[in-house]
Amino acid sequence: ETGVTQTPRHLVMGMTNKKSLKCEQHLGHNAMYWYKQSAKKPLELMFVYSLEERVENNSVPSRFSPECPNSSHLFLHLHTLQPEDSALYLCASSQAGQGNFDYGYTFGSGTRLTVV
Amino acid sequence: KNEVEQSPQNLTAQEGEFITINCSYSVGISALHWLQQHPGGGIVSLFMLSSGKKKHGRLIATINIQEKHSSLHITASHPRDSAVYICAVRAGSNYQLIWGAGTKLIIKP
Repeated sequence: ETGVTQTPRHLVMGMTNKKSLKCEQHLGHNAMYWYKQSAKKPLELMFVYSLEERVENNSVPSRFSPECPNSSHLFLHLHTLQPEDSALYLCASSQAGQGNFDYGYTFGSGTRLTVV
Repeated sequence: KNEVEQSPQNLTAQEGEFITINCSYSVGISALHWLQQHPGGGIVSLFMLSSGKKKHGRLIATINIQEKHSSLHITASHPRDSAVYICAVRAGSNYQLIWGAGTKLIIKP
């Protein structure tokens, strides 16, 4: 474990389902991220929360809804997804503001999502 | 065209070979990162560079700011080095990184 824990590791859901991905970090970081990784594509930043406030949202469809109740937890709520949303969803955390990525930017192992 | 390009996309080598993975970028950057992603998904940060060269064990990372190019080298490669190696650059905000598509490395025994 890297210090960032994601659950579940794998998720299969139908297009009409509602599910949530969970991310937890106890590294004392103040920023948390959701990334999407599709096959053969670079990582895509979806959302950034800093100090529990959403600071970036890269035009992600509304069927993805993030929630950051505190600095240690981050959720991604999913509803009415499409098959093209199938991907690896990665959570990361960092100590933003120091300008130095070298310490503090840590990834979870990801949730492999399949939409059927 | 992606602002961060990696080459090769795929690389297969024999154990013990010297490995080089390249990263070229087209924007001004404040830092460049090399990361490793093993099968199963987890990503580990290897290096952050803003100039020169860094070494950690069998891994060496170099960057040429003028040429906008970085290389990751692996000496005495081993099957456990098999992974996807990703280059990412910080070009602006504190939060945004521009990611390469990754290089899939397979080291055969």
